[in-house]
Amino acid sequence: GIQVEQSPPDLILQEGANSTLRCNFSDSVNNLQWFHQNPWGQLINLFYIPSGTKQNGRLSATTVATERYSLLYISSSQTTDSGVYFCAVGKVVYNQGGKLIFGQGTELSVKP
Amino acid sequence: DVKVTQSSRYLVKRTGEKVFLECVQDMDHENMFWYRQDPGLGLRLIYFSYDVKMKEKGDIPEGYSVSREKKERFSLILESTSTNQTSMYLCASSLTLAGVQYTGELFFGEGSRLTVL
Repeated sequence: GIQVEQSPPDLILQEGANSTLRCNFSDSVNNLQWFHQNPWGQLINLFYIPSGTKQNGRLSATTVATERYSLLYISSSQTTDSGVYFCAVGKVVYNQGGKLIFGQGTELSVKP
Repeated sequence: DVKVTQSSRYLVKRTGEKVFLECVQDMDHENMFWYRQDPGLGLRLIYFSYDVKMKEKGDIPEGYSVSREKKERFSLILESTSTNQTSMYLCASSLTLAGVQYTGELFFGEGSRLTVL
């Protein structure tokens, strides 16, 4: 099956700093999503980005599908950005949605 | 707003008891999923369903069964719980747009934390 590797596993930032999280995957995919899990356990979808670049406020993501990696950029970090960031990849099969394989996550802690 | 609701946030059960976890989505999504999350192991797929009465095994289906009688509802059943089923259980749903593009953007519920004693 597809292997997903995220780096770094842990990251501590001072508020206001920028960071880049990386997701490498072992096979071609047509579905890639980034999620944020807050300290209460809720997983929120940040980006659906099988290729290209997207931006949403202070967050942006880029996926280079041909080279099998994706990057999540967090600029001007805030304490509310703390939590675990997951990358998930998969192949979408017609009419079957397609299951996602999750990476192990990057645990981010933003200090005030 | 997208809404995925899980029936119980916290449960404590004894070994051998039956557990029924229910998940309801209000977005008319075709696909629904059950994951479990454990420290050091990440999220692992138990079962998924891409249509009413359809189900597919995920990566760790042993000890679990599912039911999808209505489009909006996907239930996870633990017939006889064991201590190694202590975990956080997460339900998710997604939409697939046939003939246009395949989206599969996943929306999660708040999770059900199960402790088996």
